[in-house]
Amino acid sequence: ETGVTQTPRHLVMGMTNKKSLKCEQHLGHNAMYWYKQSAKKPLELMFVYSLEERVENNSVPSRFSPECPNSSHLFLHLHTLQPEDSALYLCASSQGGGVAKNIQYFGAGTRLSVL
Amino acid sequence: AQKVTQAQTEISVVEKEDVTLDCVYETRDTTYYLFWYKQPPSGELVFLIRRNSFDEQNEISGRYSWNFQKSTSSFNFTITASQVVDSAVYFCALTIYSSASKIIFGSGTRLSIRP
Repeated sequence: ETGVTQTPRHLVMGMTNKKSLKCEQHLGHNAMYWYKQSAKKPLELMFVYSLEERVENNSVPSRFSPECPNSSHLFLHLHTLQPEDSALYLCASSQGGGVAKNIQYFGAGTRLSVL
Repeated sequence: AQKVTQAQTEISVVEKEDVTLDCVYETRDTTYYLFWYKQPPSGELVFLIRRNSFDEQNEISGRYSWNFQKSTSSFNFTITASQVVDSAVYFCALTIYSSASKIIFGSGTRLSIRP
């Protein structure tokens, strides 16, 4: 079992659906991240939470809504998505507290398909 | 601005051959960290190594070795005596002191090891 767990592993949704992606880390870390990985594109950082506070939001459309209820859990709420949102969504965590502690550990991702 | 370039999109070699994955980075910061991650077909990014900008010593870990050269802004990764299990996408990445939470990833190199 990995230190960062993502569920579900696969998700198919229509453009009018509402769904949520879940991430849980068992590493005692203080920072959590959402990334989007599309075909033939570099990983795109979407959101960063440090000590449950959002510290980064990289111009992500409002149809993606993150939630971090505690330092171990991170959600990504999805609504009214577009087909171009189909991608692998990766969650990561790190100790936080500066660059020296920022080794990010990743989950296996949720493969999202929007029809 | 920071940038990571992995010019090799795909590499295919026969098992037991040595293979080198190239990584070139750009940053004006003097304090930064460089990373390599491996992404097997399962999707999870696996952390392999981190190197800080003040340590140009090369590193060897089993069949893996890394060559960091500040003069050419390169951080290359060599796999010796490759094995089929090494087949994956490999990402080089950079983080800088002034933006500790953000890791900038290259576009990845897909490595296929043929039996």
